[in-house]
Amino acid sequence: DAGVTQSPTHLIKTRGQQVTLRCSPKSGHDTVSWYQQALGQGPQFIFQYYEEEERQRGNFPDRFSGHQFPNYSSELNVNALLLGDSALYLCASSLDLGSEAFFGQGTRLTVV
Amino acid sequence: AQSVTQLDSQVPVFEEAPVELRCNYSSSVSVYLFWYVQYPNQGLQLLLKYLSGSTLVKGINGFEAEFNKSQTSFHLRKPSVHISDTAEYFCAVSDMNYGGATNKLIFGTGTLLAVQP
Repeated sequence: DAGVTQSPTHLIKTRGQQVTLRCSPKSGHDTVSWYQQALGQGPQFIFQYYEEEERQRGNFPDRFSGHQFPNYSSELNVNALLLGDSALYLCASSLDLGSEAFFGQGTRLTVV
Repeated sequence: AQSVTQLDSQVPVFEEAPVELRCNYSSSVSVYLFWYVQYPNQGLQLLLKYLSGSTLVKGINGFEAEFNKSQTSFHLRKPSVHISDTAEYFCAVSDMNYGGATNKLIFGTGTLLAVQP
Protein backbone atom coordinates (compact mmCIF):
# COMPACT_ATOMS: atom_id res chain seq x y z
CA ASP A 1 0.00 0.00 0.00
CA ALA A 2 1.57 3.27 -1.16
CA GLY A 3 -0.29 5.37 1.38
CA VAL A 4 -1.21 8.94 0.50
CA THR A 5 0.86 10.31 -2.36
CA GLN A 6 1.16 13.94 -3.36
CA SER A 7 2.72 15.58 -6.40
CA PRO A 8 4.80 17.48 -7.02
CA THR A 9 6.98 17.49 -3.89
CA HIS A 10 8.28 21.00 -4.50
CA LEU A 11 7.48 23.82 -6.86
CA ILE A 12 8.19 27.49 -7.31
CA LYS A 13 5.65 29.89 -8.78
CA THR A 14 5.51 33.61 -9.46
CA ARG A 15 2.99 35.96 -7.88
CA GLY A 16 -0.25 36.06 -9.85
CA GLN A 17 0.20 32.62 -11.37
CA GLN A 18 -2.05 29.62 -10.83
CA VAL A 19 -1.03 26.25 -9.39
CA THR A 20 -2.52 22.75 -9.21
CA LEU A 21 -1.50 20.24 -6.58
CA ARG A 22 -2.46 16.58 -6.74
CA CYS A 23 -3.26 13.90 -4.19
CA SER A 24 -3.91 10.17 -4.44
CA PRO A 25 -5.56 8.79 -1.33
CA LYS A 26 -4.65 5.63 0.53
CA SER A 27 -6.20 2.57 -1.08
CA GLY A 28 -9.85 2.19 -0.09
CA HIS A 29 -10.24 5.72 1.25
CA ASP A 30 -13.05 7.88 -0.12
CA THR A 31 -12.54 11.20 1.66
CA VAL A 32 -9.78 13.74 0.98
CA SER A 33 -8.92 16.82 3.03
CA TRP A 34 -6.43 19.57 2.25
CA TYR A 35 -4.42 21.59 4.77
CA GLN A 36 -2.04 24.54 4.51
CA GLN A 37 0.94 24.61 6.88
CA ALA A 38 2.86 27.88 6.95
CA LEU A 39 6.40 27.83 8.29
CA GLY A 40 6.43 27.38 12.06
CA GLN A 41 2.65 26.92 12.27
CA GLY A 42 0.20 24.08 12.65
CA PRO A 43 -1.79 22.89 9.62
CA GLN A 44 -4.89 24.92 8.73
CA PHE A 45 -7.90 23.15 7.22
CA ILE A 46 -8.72 24.29 3.67
CA PHE A 47 -11.54 21.93 2.62
CA GLN A 48 -12.71 18.33 2.47
CA TYR A 49 -14.11 16.35 -0.45
CA TYR A 50 -16.41 13.36 -0.31
CA GLU A 51 -18.31 11.80 -3.22
CA GLU A 52 -16.84 14.46 -5.52
CA GLU A 53 -18.45 17.27 -3.53
CA GLU A 54 -16.90 19.84 -1.20
CA ARG A 55 -18.34 18.87 2.16
CA GLN A 56 -16.59 21.26 4.53
CA ARG A 57 -14.56 24.40 4.02
CA GLY A 58 -12.20 26.33 6.24
CA ASN A 59 -11.58 30.05 6.28
CA PHE A 60 -9.84 30.36 2.92
CA PRO A 61 -10.72 32.69 0.02
CA ASP A 62 -12.35 31.54 -3.20
CA ARG A 63 -8.93 31.58 -4.87
CA PHE A 64 -8.57 28.14 -3.30
CA SER A 65 -10.66 25.54 -5.07
CA GLY A 66 -10.60 21.81 -5.43
CA HIS A 67 -11.91 18.80 -7.17
CA GLN A 68 -12.35 15.11 -6.42
CA PHE A 69 -12.42 12.56 -9.20
CA PRO A 70 -14.44 9.31 -9.37
CA ASN A 71 -11.32 7.35 -8.32
CA TYR A 72 -11.23 9.54 -5.15
CA SER A 73 -8.03 11.35 -6.12
CA SER A 74 -8.11 15.09 -5.66
CA GLU A 75 -6.66 18.37 -6.87
CA LEU A 76 -6.14 21.66 -5.07
CA ASN A 77 -6.07 24.75 -7.28
CA VAL A 78 -4.88 28.15 -6.16
CA ASN A 79 -5.39 31.17 -8.43
CA ALA A 80 -3.73 34.58 -8.37
CA LEU A 81 -0.94 33.40 -6.10
CA LEU A 82 0.27 35.69 -3.32
CA LEU A 83 3.57 35.58 -1.47
CA GLY A 84 1.59 34.54 1.61
CA ASP A 85 0.47 31.36 -0.14
CA SER A 86 3.98 29.97 0.30
CA ALA A 87 3.54 26.94 2.54
CA LEU A 88 3.54 23.17 2.82
CA TYR A 89 0.26 21.82 1.45
CA LEU A 90 -0.82 18.56 3.04
CA CYS A 91 -3.38 16.10 1.78
CA ALA A 92 -5.09 13.70 4.17
CA SER A 93 -7.25 10.75 3.24
CA SER A 94 -9.73 8.78 5.33
CA LEU A 95 -12.83 6.67 5.24
CA ASP A 96 -16.10 8.53 5.64
CA LEU A 97 -16.99 8.37 9.35
CA GLY A 98 -13.65 6.70 9.96
CA SER A 99 -11.43 7.15 12.97
CA GLU A 100 -8.12 8.25 11.48
CA ALA A 101 -6.81 10.55 8.77
CA PHE A 102 -3.58 9.60 6.96
CA PHE A 103 -1.37 12.39 5.69
CA GLY A 104 0.85 12.58 2.64
CA GLN A 105 4.36 14.02 2.60
CA GLY A 106 3.10 17.34 1.34
CA THR A 107 3.88 19.73 -1.49
CA ARG A 108 6.20 22.63 -0.67
CA LEU A 109 4.98 25.68 -2.63
CA THR A 110 7.19 28.75 -2.83
CA VAL A 111 5.74 31.91 -4.37
CA VAL A 112 8.30 34.50 -5.50
CA ALA B 1 -15.73 26.76 17.31
CA GLN B 2 -12.78 24.87 18.68
CA SER B 3 -9.23 25.98 19.46
CA VAL B 4 -6.10 24.19 20.62
CA THR B 5 -3.31 25.65 22.73
CA GLN B 6 0.09 24.04 23.00
CA LEU B 7 1.72 25.87 25.86
CA ASP B 8 5.34 25.15 24.98
CA SER B 9 6.84 25.99 21.61
CA GLN B 10 10.03 24.07 22.45
CA VAL B 11 10.85 21.39 25.02
CA PRO B 12 14.53 20.49 25.43
CA VAL B 13 15.17 17.21 27.26
CA PHE B 14 18.07 14.83 27.74
CA GLU B 15 18.01 11.35 26.30
CA GLU B 16 16.34 8.73 28.55
CA ALA B 17 14.57 11.43 30.59
CA PRO B 18 10.76 11.58 30.82
CA VAL B 19 8.85 14.25 28.93
CA GLU B 20 5.37 15.80 28.93
CA LEU B 21 4.05 17.95 26.09
CA ARG B 22 1.05 20.00 27.11
CA CYS B 23 -2.16 20.50 25.15
CA ASN B 24 -5.32 22.35 26.17
CA TYR B 25 -8.40 22.80 24.04
CA SER B 26 -11.48 24.95 24.00
CA SER B 27 -14.77 23.74 22.56
CA SER B 28 -18.49 24.21 23.10
CA VAL B 29 -19.11 20.65 21.87
CA SER B 30 -17.59 17.25 22.54
CA VAL B 31 -14.44 16.56 20.58
CA TYR B 32 -12.15 13.80 19.45
CA LEU B 33 -8.49 14.37 20.36
CA PHE B 34 -5.30 13.50 18.51
CA TRP B 35 -1.54 13.81 18.71
CA TYR B 36 0.47 13.84 15.48
CA VAL B 37 4.25 13.87 14.96
CA GLN B 38 6.05 15.56 12.09
CA TYR B 39 9.67 14.79 11.29
CA PRO B 40 11.65 17.36 9.21
CA ASN B 41 10.40 17.70 5.63
CA GLN B 42 7.73 15.05 6.18
CA GLY B 43 3.97 14.82 6.55
CA LEU B 44 2.10 14.07 9.76
CA GLN B 45 1.97 10.68 11.43
CA LEU B 46 -0.69 9.79 13.99
CA LEU B 47 0.76 8.96 17.42
CA LEU B 48 -2.50 8.32 19.24
CA LYS B 49 -6.15 9.32 19.44
CA TYR B 50 -8.92 9.58 21.99
CA LEU B 51 -12.38 8.76 20.64
CA SER B 52 -14.16 7.39 23.72
CA GLY B 53 -13.69 5.02 26.64
CA SER B 54 -10.60 4.95 28.83
CA THR B 55 -9.10 8.38 29.32
CA LEU B 56 -5.56 6.97 29.21
CA VAL B 57 -4.60 6.31 25.62
CA LYS B 58 -1.50 4.47 24.48
CA GLY B 59 0.07 5.12 21.11
CA ILE B 60 3.03 4.22 18.99
CA ASN B 61 6.70 4.58 19.95
CA GLY B 62 5.95 4.37 23.69
CA PHE B 63 3.87 7.56 23.89
CA GLU B 64 0.68 7.90 25.91
CA ALA B 65 -1.78 10.69 26.64
CA GLU B 66 -4.49 11.31 29.21
CA PHE B 67 -7.77 13.03 28.44
CA ASN B 68 -8.94 15.27 31.28
CA LYS B 69 -12.38 16.62 30.49
CA SER B 70 -12.65 18.92 33.52
CA GLN B 71 -9.35 20.59 32.65
CA THR B 72 -9.91 20.31 28.89
CA SER B 73 -6.43 18.90 28.51
CA PHE B 74 -4.80 16.07 26.55
CA HIS B 75 -1.14 16.03 27.58
CA LEU B 76 1.32 13.71 25.84
CA ARG B 77 3.90 11.78 27.87
CA LYS B 78 6.80 9.40 27.36
CA PRO B 79 8.74 7.88 30.28
CA SER B 80 12.09 7.75 28.48
CA VAL B 81 12.88 9.61 25.27
CA HIS B 82 15.36 8.77 22.53
CA ILE B 83 17.31 10.96 20.14
CA SER B 84 15.02 9.68 17.39
CA ASP B 85 12.00 11.29 19.12
CA THR B 86 13.28 14.73 18.10
CA ALA B 87 10.44 16.15 15.99
CA GLU B 88 7.51 18.58 15.98
CA TYR B 89 4.42 17.36 17.84
CA PHE B 90 0.93 18.63 17.10
CA CYS B 91 -2.21 18.29 19.18
CA ALA B 92 -5.51 18.39 17.26
CA VAL B 93 -9.27 18.16 17.84
CA SER B 94 -12.29 17.47 15.68
CA ASP B 95 -15.98 18.07 16.31
CA MET B 96 -17.60 14.84 17.59
CA ASN B 97 -21.05 15.99 16.57
CA TYR B 98 -20.18 16.26 12.90
CA GLY B 99 -19.85 12.54 12.39
CA GLY B 100 -16.64 10.56 12.14
CA ALA B 101 -13.33 11.50 13.65
CA THR B 102 -11.87 12.42 10.28
CA ASN B 103 -13.71 15.63 9.63
CA LYS B 104 -12.04 19.04 9.97
CA LEU B 105 -9.03 18.88 12.29
CA ILE B 106 -8.08 21.95 14.32
CA PHE B 107 -4.37 21.92 15.14
CA GLY B 108 -2.28 23.65 17.75
CA THR B 109 0.86 25.53 16.78
CA GLY B 110 3.11 22.61 17.65
CA THR B 111 5.83 21.78 20.17
CA LEU B 112 9.38 21.03 19.09
CA LEU B 113 10.76 18.20 21.20
CA ALA B 114 14.56 18.50 21.14
CA VAL B 115 16.26 15.45 22.66
CA GLN B 116 19.88 16.01 23.60
CA PRO B 117 22.49 13.30 24.22
